[in-house]
This record gives sequence, structure tokens and C-alpha cells, in this order.
Amino acid sequence: QITLKESGPTLVKPTQTLTLTCTFSGFSLSTSGVGVGWIRQPPGKALEWLALIYWDDDKRYSPSLKSRLTITKDTSKNQVVLTMTNMDPVDTATYYCAHANYDILTGYYTNYYYYYMDVWGKGTTVTVSS
Amino acid sequence: DIQMTQSPSTLSASVGDRVTVTCRASQSISSWLAWYQQKPGKPPKLLIYKASSLESGVPSRFSGSGSGTEFTLTISSLQPDDFATYYCQQYNSYPYTFGQGTKLEIK
Repeated sequence: QITLKESGPTLVKPTQTLTLTCTFSGFSLSTSGVGVGWIRQPPGKALEWLALIYWDDDKRYSPSLKSRLTITKDTSKNQVVLTMTNMDPVDTATYYCAHANYDILTGYYTNYYYYYMDVWGKGTTVTVSS
Repeated sequence: DIQMTQSPSTLSASVGDRVTVTCRASQSISSWLAWYQQKPGKPPKLLIYKASSLESGVPSRFSGSGSGTEFTLTISSLQPDDFATYYCQQYNSYPYTFGQGTKLEIK
């Protein structure tokens, strides 16, 4: 059974750096094909995809936030860490991490992998305020 | 970025109704679309992936269809537990993007 749990500060001040940890079980990020993503949701608003890290340490970021985000993994601890710099009140949101599963499109020379989030953590709420 | 537009934003329906939610992509995403259900204070729950594949454990009254730029989520007979907000999300290309959500309310 796959489970994920987010942890980190509930309150940060503007301009500070936010560090969130996703601790998971039921899978390993050293296994080929595995990924973990981060998504956030401001109060009363829609979901926003932030970043994704793969078993091979490939990383993808939202272009609008790329300059502020860093995603890393610690395979030995079964953790993924997301840091976001220069926090602003508009970054107030619930932050989720999720296991990324994939579909395969078989090509002539290679296969293509398309990842979707199938199991989500419960989320952690972060408020940015002075 | 690929824009995902859902309609309607709010839908009022009764238990037993058949309801459909539409999601349109600003460019073709083939079938790389997921649908999620979210209840207040809870994380999203995956219902459908690859446009029409039902996630394990999800009731068969949920179904998805479409390809290219137009997709639908259908609930064949609404149950009390289905009143929630539904999101579509494309995973054809980065950045992954979500629709703005459709809130399904009790009539």
C-alpha cells in the first residue's frame, strides 16, 4: 500500500524559504519508472502542479515557479524535499505530494512514458504572513 | 502551457441523475487526461486516467471519454457520496495543468 505524508512549517514569513518534506512508503524512488510530484492549492482555488522528480533524478518544474523551486530526493530515507524561496502571501496554500504512476506509449524505436498522480498525501497547509 | 477549461463551473443535480462534466484542452493532448474528485479538506482522489481508464476501486458509475481536445466525465447515477468538486488534468506535456474545477451540488 502506497502512502505519502507531507511535513513542514505551517507559517512562514514573506521572503523566507519554505522547505517541505514528503515521506512515503510502499514504493522506492530507486525503482525504475517511479516518480513523486508536488501540487498546491490556495484556499478555495484550483490545483496547481509544481514539480516532479523521477527515479533517475530527472526533474521537472512549473516554468512560472522554476526560479524559486528545487526538488530533491533521498532514496535511503524514502523522502522527497521541495524548497521554495522568496515566499509571498500568494503562496499560501495546501501543499500535496503524490506518487506518479505512468502509461506507456510504445514507439517504433523507444517507449514514451506519461505520468499521472495516482496516490496523494493528505496535504500540509502553509500560511505566508508577517 | 496547455490551458484546461471545465464546464460547467457549478452543477446542481439530484441523487439518481446522470451528469456530465466537460473538459477542453487548448491543444491536443491525445488521451493523456486524468479526472480527480475532491471533497472539502481532503486530497484529490484519482478516478480516471488515460481519458477512459477507471482507477482500481472506483465505482463503475464513473466513466470518462474523449481524446484530442475534448473530454467528458460522466456519472451514470449520482449517489450522495458523489457531491464534490471534480478536476481534469492533462499530463501530455509539462507543465501539467488542471482545469478550474466543477463543483457538483445537491439540487
